[in-house]
Amino acid sequence: DVKVTQSSRYLVKRTGEKVFLECVQDMDHENMFWYRQDPGLGLRLIYFSYDVKMKEKGDIPEGYSVSREKKERFSLILESASTNQTSMYLCASTPPLAGGPIYNEQFFGPGTRLTVL
Amino acid sequence: GNSVTQMEGPVTLSEEAFLTINCTYTATGYPSLFWYVQYPGEGLQLLLKATKADDKGSNKGFEATYRKETTSFHLEKGSVQVSDSAVYFCALSDRASGTYKYIFGTGTRLKVLA
Repeated sequence: DVKVTQSSRYLVKRTGEKVFLECVQDMDHENMFWYRQDPGLGLRLIYFSYDVKMKEKGDIPEGYSVSREKKERFSLILESASTNQTSMYLCASTPPLAGGPIYNEQFFGPGTRLTVL
Repeated sequence: GNSVTQMEGPVTLSEEAFLTINCTYTATGYPSLFWYVQYPGEGLQLLLKATKADDKGSNKGFEATYRKETTSFHLEKGSVQVSDSAVYFCALSDRASGTYKYIFGTGTRLKVLA
């Protein structure tokens, strides 16, 4: 079974702190994604990566950065946490497929609920 | 641009009732369509998918048919159980967009009462 793990289930940080959220997948997937989930807004894509050291902005990248130094690990960084970044953060991965992974299911981690005080 | 619209919840049903959760989409190309489910305290998991018009995805008693003419992918189940209580997300992925992005709806919370 594919497993996507996230470093913390719950995290509490203070405004201005630098925050690292880690995601690891164990199935050699090329593509990895970071979303935030907010009530009434569904999932919104922050960043995604289709290869090591490659990254692309999603729909709401402001205030975030990412790092993909190894294929299995995709990190989300909040450079200076703010209260409006309080949210549930979900990581996902997909395997490659000829023509792109767009027909594949996304495998999700359990999420990290981040509270910024 | 691409988008997914699904009915707002919460939807509250009695056990063994019939379920429909509406989902419509807009897409520039020929999208694949998905339903994901999120149980309390967990991440999302794929429930079913359909990759072309008239395909029917099915799993665990849930079904959805890809209707290109009405740009819809409504989720149905004939007899819900308490264990189906969860949040359901409709999603699409469109090859024509040229990226690996998925678009998710806002989610519909289902509560099934015993």
